[in-house]
Amino acid sequence: DTEVTQTPKHLVMGMTNKKSLKCEQHMGHRAMYWYKQKAKKPPELMFVYSYEKLSINESVPSRFSPECPNSSLLNLHLHALQPEDSALYLCASRGTGGGPHNEQFFGPGTRLTVL
Amino acid sequence: ELKVEQNPLFLSMQEGKNYTIYCNYSTTSDRLYWYRQDPGKSLESLFVLLSNGAVKQEGRLMASLDTKARLSTLHITAAVHDLSATYFCAVGRHDMRFGAGTRLTVKP
Repeated sequence: DTEVTQTPKHLVMGMTNKKSLKCEQHMGHRAMYWYKQKAKKPPELMFVYSYEKLSINESVPSRFSPECPNSSLLNLHLHALQPEDSALYLCASRGTGGGPHNEQFFGPGTRLTVL
Repeated sequence: ELKVEQNPLFLSMQEGKNYTIYCNYSTTSDRLYWYRQDPGKSLESLFVLLSNGAVKQEGRLMASLDTKARLSTLHITAAVHDLSATYFCAVGRHDMRFGAGTRLTVKP
């Protein structure tokens, strides 16, 4: 299995809702990432997990709460979002063996709309 | 802080023509990536460049890396409509940073 899956594909939520995005990979990768991509912009790194521990938080507002329950799963919990948080949320994973081809593999993304 | 600059940001080409996209980065890195993104889709990995002088080719696309100049190029040969997409370069391993992207349109 060489893919990263993300659910849901689309999500519409109100500003008072609580929702979660899910990312899963079965490639044995021990680094997982969340990116946010606004329309016509490049992806921006949000969080990095390495061996199930949060290693990078790019000063993301606390209304975004990441969680890595095990080495295959990465969640992003959403609460009290703002309309400007509407974007494509991409998950990625990467092997950590130090080999030459440890590139990040991206999931298909979740298109989030906050009303 | 690592900065990645891409140019041009927009590129409109005629089919059959050649062109080059440039990617400059500000600090030393041991790897550079090129990705393709179609509208509404995720990122597709095109090339991973790991060493100075690395050159990789796939079909009509060829990527190169000059780590001393901190410059990578993506060369398009004899463009076809199917190459229309946004192309990103990205630098770094754990905290990867992307260039702004080049939106390529290939016209008949």
